[in-house]
Parts: sequence; structure tokens; C-alpha cells
Amino acid sequence: QVQLQESGPGLVKPSQTLSLTCTVSGGSINSDTYYWNWIRQRPGEGLEWIGYIYYSGSTFYNPSLKGRITISLDTSKNQFSLRLTSVSAADTAVYYCARENLVEVTAVSYLDYWGQGTLVTVSS
Amino acid sequence: DIQMTQSPSSLSASVGDRVTITCRASQNIGDFLNWYQQNPGKAPKLLIYAASSFQSGVPSRFSGSGSGTDFTLTISSLQPEDSATYYCQQSYSTPRTFGQGTKLEIK
Repeated sequence: QVQLQESGPGLVKPSQTLSLTCTVSGGSINSDTYYWNWIRQRPGEGLEWIGYIYYSGSTFYNPSLKGRITISLDTSKNQFSLRLTSVSAADTAVYYCARENLVEVTAVSYLDYWGQGTLVTVSS
Repeated sequence: DIQMTQSPSSLSASVGDRVTITCRASQNIGDFLNWYQQNPGKAPKLLIYAASSFQSGVPSRFSGSGSGTDFTLTISSLQPEDSATYYCQQSYSTPRTFGQGTKLEIK
């Protein structure tokens, strides 16, 4: 059974960098069948897609986060990571990592496995 | 960006009712539309993918339909455990986008 688990600091100071890691178990991150996503949810709000990384290292980011994001992959540890720079209170959210399954024949994709989420609070 | 608009934003229904949630995309997304259920304090759970395909283990009372710009999630006979927030999401292009959510309460 595939499992994803987020880890990282729960409190980050304004203007600093938020860093989270997602550890994948029960399956290899080094596969051409999946995108590895970060998604966040501000308190009381909906879901916001942050970006994803492919096993090749290709990345796609949400332009709304204006160049503050880096997503990276560590295949030796079966992990992928998120860095978000210059954080403010608006970045306070539950951060989820999730696997996006790509159906080769039809090209459809969907988020089939999610981590439990980790709350990151930006505050001095 | 493709905008996803759900309606209603919230609804209240009784056990056994047939419930329909609508999602509209700002442009044609074919069948690249997924539905998720989220309970408070939990991660979203995939219900339906590719507009109408069932995710394994999801009760058969959940179904999805639509293509292009208009999509529907239907719960044929509402159960108490269906109280949750439901989100649609397009996987047609990046950035991936979600609807704003529909909060479903049981009367």
C-alpha cells in the first residue's frame, strides 16, 4: 500500500524559507507513471495547487506563487521536497503531498494518494 | 488558468435523498475532471476520475458525469457518512485548479 508522509517545521518566521519533505513508501518515486504534487489549504479555505515534479526532474509550478517555489526529488531516499521562500502569514496552511497517477492511454490523471497533511504556521 | 466553479457552495439534505453537485470549467477540458471528498481535518479522498470513472473502494451511490465544461457529481441515496466537503479538480492543464468546494450537511 502506497503511503505518503509530510515532515518539516510547523512554525516558520516571516520572510524565511519553508521547507517540507514528503517520504513515499510502498512504491518507487522513480517512475514515469506519476507526478509528485504539493497542495496546500489555508485555514477554512479550499485547495490550492502548488506544483509538481516528474521522475525526470521536470517541474511545473503555480505562477501565483511568483517564483518562490522549488520542488526537488531525492530518488535515493524516495522523497520529494518543497521550498517556499519569503513566506508571510498568507502562507500559513496545511500542506499536503500527493501522487498524481497518469493513465498512459488516455492521458487523464488524478490524485490518488495523499499524505495526511502538515500544518505550517508563519509567525514571529 | 482554467477556473473551476462549483455550485452550490453548501447544501443540506436528508438521509436517502438524491444529491447533485455541479462543476463548471471556464474552458473545454474534455473529461479531465476529478472529484474528491474531504472530511474535517483529513486529506481529500479521490471519488471519481476522468469525469465518470469510479475509484476503487468508493461506494456505488457516487457517480460522475459530464464532459467539456459541465460536470456533475451525484449521490444517489445520501448516507450520514457522506457529510463532507466535495471538490472538483481539472487535470487538463497546469496550473491544476480546484473548485471552491461544496459543503454537504445532513439534516
